[in-house]
Amino acid sequence: DTGVSQDPRHKITKRGQNVTFRCDPISEHNRLYWYRQTLGQGPEFLTYFQNEAQLEKSRLLSDRFSAERPKGSFSTLEIQRTEQGDSAMYLCASSLDGTSGSEQYFGPGTRLTVT
Amino acid sequence: AQKITQTQPGMFVQEKEAVTLDCTYDTSDPSYGLFWYKQPSSGEMIFLIYQGSYDQQNATEGRYSLNFQKARKSANLVISASQLGDSAMYFCAMSFYGNNRLAFGKGNQVVVIP
Repeated sequence: DTGVSQDPRHKITKRGQNVTFRCDPISEHNRLYWYRQTLGQGPEFLTYFQNEAQLEKSRLLSDRFSAERPKGSFSTLEIQRTEQGDSAMYLCASSLDGTSGSEQYFGPGTRLTVT
Repeated sequence: AQKITQTQPGMFVQEKEAVTLDCTYDTSDPSYGLFWYKQPSSGEMIFLIYQGSYDQQNATEGRYSLNFQKARKSANLVISASQLGDSAMYFCAMSFYGNNRLAFGKGNQVVVIP
């Protein structure tokens, strides 16, 4: 299967701990996106990369969040000093390019629970 | 700011019947794209259909069709001949030329009953 993969699928952590999630996009896709989805809501945009360059960050992305895509392939999303409000599904998506009709392919998500 | 509105409550649909899911949007940008995604209980977002703002014809993909009414800013999804596997949350989303980030609505829950 050459779709978008995410690791881990589930993460339970205590408040105040740091967590890191990984996303492996479809190999030929140069755009990579992170979204966050809370219960009963649609996904909300966090940030996106064009190759290794992070081009946009949402205001939702506080200073405790950082994302990287060091070689333009996989990406990591780190949350420092987690809070209970960070509990959500973190979705990664990739697309071939940035045209408005370019379909985004989503991974299965990482479900974070902060206790 | 761009906004997607999906206000229908959860829907029960008889197998083999058609169902229409409403989506309205708000933007002043003339160039945009509209998407529908399906999210089953497993959590993965599955792309269903795309409509560009300049497309003259309504988009169709198999059993899915998009009823695009630009003047009314609506992009309703029609699923024909519902199947049990269609039970899921359905999200309408909008993207814009250049960054392609998606803005999603809150979703519509559909349950197909035999």
